[in-house]
Amino acid sequence: QVQLQESGPGLVKPSQTLSLTCTVSGDSISSGSYYWSWIRQPAGEGLEWIGRIYTSGSLNYKPSLESRVTISVDTSKNQFSLRLSSVTAADTAVYYCARVQADVDAFDIWGQGTMVTVSS
Amino acid sequence: QSALTQPPSASGSPGQSVTISCTGTSSDVGAYSYVSWYQQQPGKAPKLMISAVSRRPSGVPDRFSGSKSGNTASLTVSGLQTEDEATYYCCSYAGSKVVFGGGTKLSVL
Repeated sequence: QVQLQESGPGLVKPSQTLSLTCTVSGDSISSGSYYWSWIRQPAGEGLEWIGRIYTSGSLNYKPSLESRVTISVDTSKNQFSLRLSSVTAADTAVYYCARVQADVDAFDIWGQGTMVTVSS
Repeated sequence: QSALTQPPSASGSPGQSVTISCTGTSSDVGAYSYVSWYQQQPGKAPKLMISAVSRRPSGVPDRFSGSKSGNTASLTVSGLQTEDEATYYCCSYAGSKVVFGGGTKLSVL
């Protein structure tokens, strides 16, 4: 059974770059027709889509975050990653990685989420 | 402000049915049959309940159903159970991006 696990620093200073990795276990990240995506959720608020990557390298980002976001995939490590630059307190949130079934464009498997706080 | 509009709250008694709406535009919900619904319990990751407007993934009770008319999608929970109390989010493909609703907190009274 496929599982996703986020990892990375829980505290990032303002203006620095947030970096998170999602490790996929139970199957190859290259198998099947899937996108791999990042979503975040500030405390007490709703879900916000950040972006996604296909293992072919095809990318989509949320337009308002596009200038600060980079999503990449490392098939040799079965991982995909998120980098968000020039962070502010507004980027404080639980960050989730998720698998997207490409044929129905739905997030079918989620990581447990990791809390990232932006503070000096 | 979320791209898709959901009522902030909904409620029903055990055994009743409740419908949650999700209103978008002709650029997202109205344009594609890629509307999905997620259930989120406090402190947990969201769980896929409905994909492609009305498809129910394996393991999701058939009490959950989805539909769409024009720019509005709907999630109906029939035969409400106490464990259905959660926040529900709709989501739509919007042409190279994805948008979520603000979430609806469902209370089972």
